[in-house]
Amino acid sequence: EPEVTQTPSHQVTQMGQEVILRCVPISNHLYFYWYRQILGQKVEFLVSFYNNEISEKSEIFDDQFSVERPDGSNFTLKIRSTKLEDSAMYFCASRPWVAKNIQYFGAGTRLSVL
Amino acid sequence: SQELEQSPQSLIVQEGKNLTINCTSSKTLYGLYWYKQKYGEGLIFLMMLQKGGEEKSHEKITAKLDEKKQQSSLHITASQPSHAGIYLCGADVLRTSGGGADGLTFGKGTHLIIQP
Repeated sequence: EPEVTQTPSHQVTQMGQEVILRCVPISNHLYFYWYRQILGQKVEFLVSFYNNEISEKSEIFDDQFSVERPDGSNFTLKIRSTKLEDSAMYFCASRPWVAKNIQYFGAGTRLSVL
Repeated sequence: SQELEQSPQSLIVQEGKNLTINCTSSKTLYGLYWYKQKYGEGLIFLMMLQKGGEEKSHEKITAKLDEKKQQSSLHITASQPSHAGIYLCGADVLRTSGGGADGLTFGKGTHLIIQP
C-alpha cells in the first residue's frame, strides 16, 4: 500500500542551525501538508501546499520556515535558524485531488534542538 | 478559532469490554476525521464523517456524528490489545480562501490502554 515517507526519522541539531526535513508524498497526491506535535501537545497545522505554492499557513509558520517541492517527488520543510522550542515531531501528509480532505500521514521526523 | 475537546483524556479498559470516546467542537463541523496514533508514530486514518446523523463502521469501530454536527463519538466493541493507542479527532478548519488545501485542527487525543 502506498505511504508517505519521511526522512530522517530523528534529527538532532544545534540551536541556530538550519535543518531540512524531507518527505516523499504518495505519488498521485496533489495536496501536501506539514504539521508538528510538541511532546505532550496537540498535532498542529503548519502549512499546506498545492500547485507549487503555499495554499494556507498557520501563525506558527513564520519567516523561519519555508517549504519547497524541488522535484516531482520530494516535499521539504526548512527551518532557517532553529530554536529550542522547535523541538517536536514533524509530520508530513498528503491527499489526492478529491473533495474529501482525508490526509495520509507519514511516520514523522523527531527534531531535537540542543 | 475552532477548538476540539476530547474526552476522556485517557481510558484503561479490560480486554473484551466496550468503550466510547467523545469529541466536541465549539463550532459546526464540516468534516470530522478520526485518526489513531501509536506512541511515537504517525497518524493512521480511521473514518470521516460529514453529514449530521451519519454513522460509519470499520471492523469493531463505529463513529457517529450528531445531528447538530458539533459532537462525534467513537465506539469500540469487544476491545483488543491492537486497539491500544491515541485516538485523535480532527476537523476541517473554516475555509477562508475557498481553496481545497485546508489544514486539519486536532483535539488533544484520548490515550487508550487495553488491559489483558
